[in-house]
Amino acid sequence: DTAVSQTPKYLVTQMGNDKSIKCEQNLGHDTMYWYKQDSKKFLKIMFSYNNKELIINETVPNRFSPKSPDKAHLNLHINSLELGDSAVYFCASSRDRGRTGELFFGEGSRLTVL
Amino acid sequence: AQTVTQSQPEMSVQEAETVTLSCTYDTSESDYYLFWYKQPPSRQMILVIRQEAYKQQNATENRFSVNFQKAAKSFSLKISDSQLGDAAMYFCAYRSAGLAALIFGKGTTLSVSS
Repeated sequence: DTAVSQTPKYLVTQMGNDKSIKCEQNLGHDTMYWYKQDSKKFLKIMFSYNNKELIINETVPNRFSPKSPDKAHLNLHINSLELGDSAVYFCASSRDRGRTGELFFGEGSRLTVL
Repeated sequence: AQTVTQSQPEMSVQEAETVTLSCTYDTSESDYYLFWYKQPPSRQMILVIRQEAYKQQNATENRFSVNFQKAAKSFSLKISDSQLGDAAMYFCAYRSAGLAALIFGKGTTLSVSS
């Protein structure tokens, strides 16, 4: 069983489209995250939710909107896609706001905007 | 704000040899955690080793060990008896005890030759 799963793993789309990436964790963790890994492999936090409450919201364009229907799911919706949105997006989870454990990552979703 | 610096973009090592990857960080906090993650070409993020700042003893996981110098804010990773499967990008990461997200360095690409 995959602990943190993301779908889709690959996504190719045109500029201006809207797309979503879904994430689910079966670890019973309280906190979930979205990270963006750019073409230079730099990993940057975008959002974090704890028990469905947004606790971290970094400087991210308003076109990006996370949604957490329950603490096991965190989805990322992106409106009006731009070329610069091309990246690998990682979902992750941790227990108790991450105080005691590491982050468990999904396999990443590679988004290519043409 | 906390920052993590990895000054070696690339490193190489021969099989069975030892290599050390460097990491420094900047923080004004006393309670935090440090991690090394490995990202092979499959792009999966894999935890290699973890260190709690309040522990003076350096963490060890099989062939992987760290040299944690709290006063110098240094957290290097030593890989002993290097194997071909160790070839990957290695990320140093910091987490404040009060903040859920991991802050990553820019990574070091490790190549292993036979």
